[in-house]
Amino acid sequence: GESVGLHLPTLSVQEGDNSIINCAYSNSASDYFIWYKQESGKGPQFIIDIRSNMDKRQGQRVTVLLNKTVKHLSLQIAATQPGDSAVYFCAEKDSAGGTSYGKLTFGQGTILTVHP
Amino acid sequence: NAGVMQNPRHLVRRRGQEARLRCSPMKGHSHVYWYRQLPEEGLKFMVYLQKENIIDESGMPKERFSAEFPKEGPSILRIQQVVRGDSAAYFCASSPLGQVAKNIQYFGAGTRLSVL
Repeated sequence: GESVGLHLPTLSVQEGDNSIINCAYSNSASDYFIWYKQESGKGPQFIIDIRSNMDKRQGQRVTVLLNKTVKHLSLQIAATQPGDSAVYFCAEKDSAGGTSYGKLTFGQGTILTVHP
Repeated sequence: NAGVMQNPRHLVRRRGQEARLRCSPMKGHSHVYWYRQLPEEGLKFMVYLQKENIIDESGMPKERFSAEFPKEGPSILRIQQVVRGDSAAYFCASSPLGQVAKNIQYFGAGTRLSVL
């Protein structure tokens, strides 16, 4: 079936470095993607989203890049801080049936650890 | 503006008992989603509801699981005759009608179900 997966399950960086978290997706019909951050014991927290008609979107210290040719999504975090340590999930919107709403398909997650 | 509220945060049940998980969406949100997360895995979609309607239950197990979102009150995810394999974190998310096309879902802190 369709799936969203991540290349690297863990990523360790030093405080102040830039972090890049990658995600591969297989559903070519996906038209919307979201990155979530999940801290231990908490629910996923929305970080940034991007629609399939864009290839880049910037937020505060974060940038999402979308490469539809190779079905690849990445999250870049600038000047990573210890508070950024968490599990990061990419998710895609399932457009089956032409609905503009509905379930999100999540990847497995990448554990980001930021060392002071 | 309170976020998505889930209760209880932790729930312990013995095999064969019933589990009832509650979710109050963010104020003004009329769409509710339930997801299940096993340890070290991503979230898996279960069901999507609007007030008094189940829109998509493609992720719900065929037996023992049911969900509702009544006109008044919280959404309820009900698991009858729980088994150890039901042990997981269950997350509820909500989205406002106006953002349906973008499908930004805001998550609660989850209910951790442990089946003894």
